[in-house]
Amino acid sequence: QVTLRESGPALVKPTQTLTLTCTFSGFSLSTSGMCVSWSRQPPGKALEWLARIDWDGDKYYSTSLKTRLTISKDTSKNQVVLTMTNVDPVDTATYFCARTIRNYGSDYYYYMDVWGKGTTVTVSS
Amino acid sequence: QTVVTQEPSFSVSPGGTVTLTCGLNSGSVSTTYYPSWYQQTPGQAPRTLIYRTTIRSSGVPDRFSGSILGNKAALTITGAQADDDSDYYCVLYMRGGTWVFGGGTRLTVL
Repeated sequence: QVTLRESGPALVKPTQTLTLTCTFSGFSLSTSGMCVSWSRQPPGKALEWLARIDWDGDKYYSTSLKTRLTISKDTSKNQVVLTMTNVDPVDTATYFCARTIRNYGSDYYYYMDVWGKGTTVTVSS
Repeated sequence: QTVVTQEPSFSVSPGGTVTLTCGLNSGSVSTTYYPSWYQQTPGQAPRTLIYRTTIRSSGVPDRFSGSILGNKAALTITGAQADDDSDYYCVLYMRGGTWVFGGGTRLTVL
């Protein structure tokens, strides 16, 4: 059974760096084709995709946020960490991680399948 | 800037059929965007319904189906049920390996 759980501070001050951890089970990030993505959702608003890290260490970031985001993995701990620098109140949101799979075949593609329950972060002084 | 468009809201009667769409502000959606669809109720995590345009995720009932209709991706719910009353999001896979979510559709079943 695949599960993911997000963790991090509930409250962060503006200009600080936010560090979020996704701890997962039921799959390994050392397995070819396995990846983890982060998305977020401000209160009452739409989902926004943030970043992805692949089994081989490749990293991808939202075009609008890439200068502020860093994603990393610790395969031995089954964890993926997302850091966001210089946070602002507009970064207040619930942050989700999701297992992401690369399909191998005649056409290769990625898809997010299992999601964590999310962790809520408020940015306020 | 890439903007993925969805109807803000839709309503359907129980037992009815509804089609939600997912478009692009700068062109057509095709299978090469590998559209996915997610269902979300307030306070809950998204649930994956459809990926790679048409493939249902594990455990998703066959009343949910995905397709390309004209220049948009589409999610059709056939025989809507009360617990289909949710928000629905599409996401498109972009060149460069990134995703862009749509603004979501609030579906009311009444």
